[in-house]
Amino acid sequence: GAGVSQSPRYKVAKRGQDVALRCDPISGHVSLFWYQQALGQGPEFLTYFQNEAQLDKSGLPSDRFFAERPEGSVSTLKIQRTQQEDSAVYLCASSPYAGWVLNFDQPQHFGDGTRLSIL
Amino acid sequence: AQTVTQSQPEMSVQEAETVTLSCTYDTSENNYYLFWYKQPPSRQMILVIRQEAYKQQNATENRFSVNFQKAAKSFSLKISDSQLGDTAMYFCAFGASNYQLIWGAGTKLIIKP
Repeated sequence: GAGVSQSPRYKVAKRGQDVALRCDPISGHVSLFWYQQALGQGPEFLTYFQNEAQLDKSGLPSDRFFAERPEGSVSTLKIQRTQQEDSAVYLCASSPYAGWVLNFDQPQHFGDGTRLSIL
Repeated sequence: AQTVTQSQPEMSVQEAETVTLSCTYDTSENNYYLFWYKQPPSRQMILVIRQEAYKQQNATENRFSVNFQKAAKSFSLKISDSQLGDTAMYFCAFGASNYQLIWGAGTKLIIKP
């Protein structure tokens, strides 16, 4: 596709349910990032993939959060036993580059996000 | 740890006026990037302007320019001849060698007709 695609656009789940959020990066993009954006806040880093390798997962808030990118393209963010504090917009971004300088010297491409609401 | 602070939760100006959004940051890194992103209601983050810390010249993109004061760790965004389409949330962000973008809390900018 022409841009980063995230699905679903909206997700409503009951507390305690598991959810899976999908990110389709631009074809061929090496780097993929997940961010969590609570209502009225700036995004916060969750995790970073370089191809299929998860190089940094330091931002994942608890062991209920799990992300994967098994073939180095599509990524899934899974949240188990959802809590109300998990309600947020989850943003995905991708970049064609691996090095940090190039990642920031060229624009990262963001998706429209998934708005997750936990009832 | 790096931090980014945006002290203006909301700003409002008339169309065609100039507006300046403030951002300060804290870091011990020598080389890094600073960004201003625009987030309209559609939620997609759109890069407005980018500045590399080693470049002394302030970045400019059409009506958007920055005032980068490295010693003061300040990175303000000036929007000239503001347009209705500039209405959005604006986020200041910092990026360095750990790949993470560190974001401010955002400033809601309203351009009034």
